[in-house]
Amino acid sequence: TQLLEQSPQFLSIQEGENLTVYCNSSSVFSSLQWYRQEPGEGPVLLVTVVTGGEVKKLKRLTFQFGDARKDSSLHITAAQPGDTGLYLCAGAPNFGNEKLTFGTGTRLTIIP
Amino acid sequence: DTAVSQTPKYLVTQMGNDKSIKCEQNLGHDTMYWYKQDSKKFLKIMFSYNNKELIINETVPNRFSPKSPDKAHLNLHINSLELGDSAVYFCASSPTGLSGANVLTFGAGSRLTVL
Repeated sequence: TQLLEQSPQFLSIQEGENLTVYCNSSSVFSSLQWYRQEPGEGPVLLVTVVTGGEVKKLKRLTFQFGDARKDSSLHITAAQPGDTGLYLCAGAPNFGNEKLTFGTGTRLTIIP
Repeated sequence: DTAVSQTPKYLVTQMGNDKSIKCEQNLGHDTMYWYKQDSKKFLKIMFSYNNKELIINETVPNRFSPKSPDKAHLNLHINSLELGDSAVYFCASSPTGLSGANVLTFGAGSRLTVL
């Protein structure tokens, strides 16, 4: 069974601060996705990374896929209250494999 | 138009009852899924269908029976509900192709509470 551990589990910081969320596994993934889930809604895809070492930026969010494709990080610069939510990483074992494994989740709260 | 819609959004029922959750997607995707999210927000796949054919069936009790009448619909029927079935159930869909990782579009979830 492939497990994806996220850290921290909970994070509460002031608006304007920077933060990093980590997603780690002992398994290799062909690709890794990050989702954000708000209360009462389903997860919404933020980004997909597919190449080891790949870095993708989405406005104030920077995603990195580890060189060995076993881990990933999400860095948020100058966090805003709208960033509040549950962040989930999800790994795909093979290209085109429908069986995504989701991480344990990081609940982020940005205090105005 | 909602891309993936599931009904009902809330379901409260007694132990031992049978209930169904319906899901429809208008994205033209070939693959649909049911995920279960527990109280700790852990999201785990239950089933996956591709063009009405079951392709993933995790170790889910056989009280759970998915049905896909066509590729735009995937319903979940649960028999003899137990307290441990209380959770939020998410339907999702994705395109199927060789271009890379499947990207999931989720519904808003159905919160099932078994009393």
